[in-house]
Amino acid sequence: SQTIHQWPATLVQPVGSPLSLECTVEGTSNPNLYWYRQAAGRGLQLLFYSVGIGQISSEVPQNLSASRPQDRQFILSSKKLLLSDSGFYLCAWSRDSEIYGYTFGSGTRLTVV
Amino acid sequence: AQSVAQPEDQVNVAEGNPLTVKCTYSVSGNPYLFWYVQYPNRGLQFLLKYITGDNLVKGSYGFEAEFNKSQTSFHLKKPSALVSDSALYFCALGGDYGGATNKLIFGTGTLLAVQP
Repeated sequence: SQTIHQWPATLVQPVGSPLSLECTVEGTSNPNLYWYRQAAGRGLQLLFYSVGIGQISSEVPQNLSASRPQDRQFILSSKKLLLSDSGFYLCAWSRDSEIYGYTFGSGTRLTVV
Repeated sequence: AQSVAQPEDQVNVAEGNPLTVKCTYSVSGNPYLFWYVQYPNRGLQFLLKYITGDNLVKGSYGFEAEFNKSQTSFHLKKPSALVSDSALYFCALGGDYGGATNKLIFGTGTLLAVQP
């Protein structure tokens, strides 16, 4: 069966520090991968998605970047965090998302101080 | 353009009463519709989906949803609410857009509060 791992679960970082959040999927190949941010515990904002190694689509211009160095690994990064980067970050994977939907990771709570 | 709407920010219901969480959609082709639930500080969990076939879809934890093409709705329902059903619920839209988008469109979420 397929599983998705996301870590760390919580993170407190000072303003101006770098960020690296990692997401990996097991039990499938060539998944579509997504990074979402959820602010104030409500709406989901799609940040990046990837349909293959090295293929990244950015949905919203911002202080963050994403990379997919391996088929089942998706990394969210920042060189210098801003206070506004605080939020709940969710990774998800899918295959034919219109039909099968997404499977989400457990999320990372990022607090920038 | 494709869109999905959840008109209620919050729904309050007493334990044991039936609950409904509303979702409407707009899509040019055939809609694929999903419901997800999110508990505090957790990822979203899949509840149910409509792709084709029977308009009444049954899912996890006793939830069901009714696809209504004429009203372009996909409301989530449960006959008897539990306090443990209190969570944030998201409706999502996939669909036959005439090209693979690989993305779902999510509603803004509805907070369900079940009072004991």
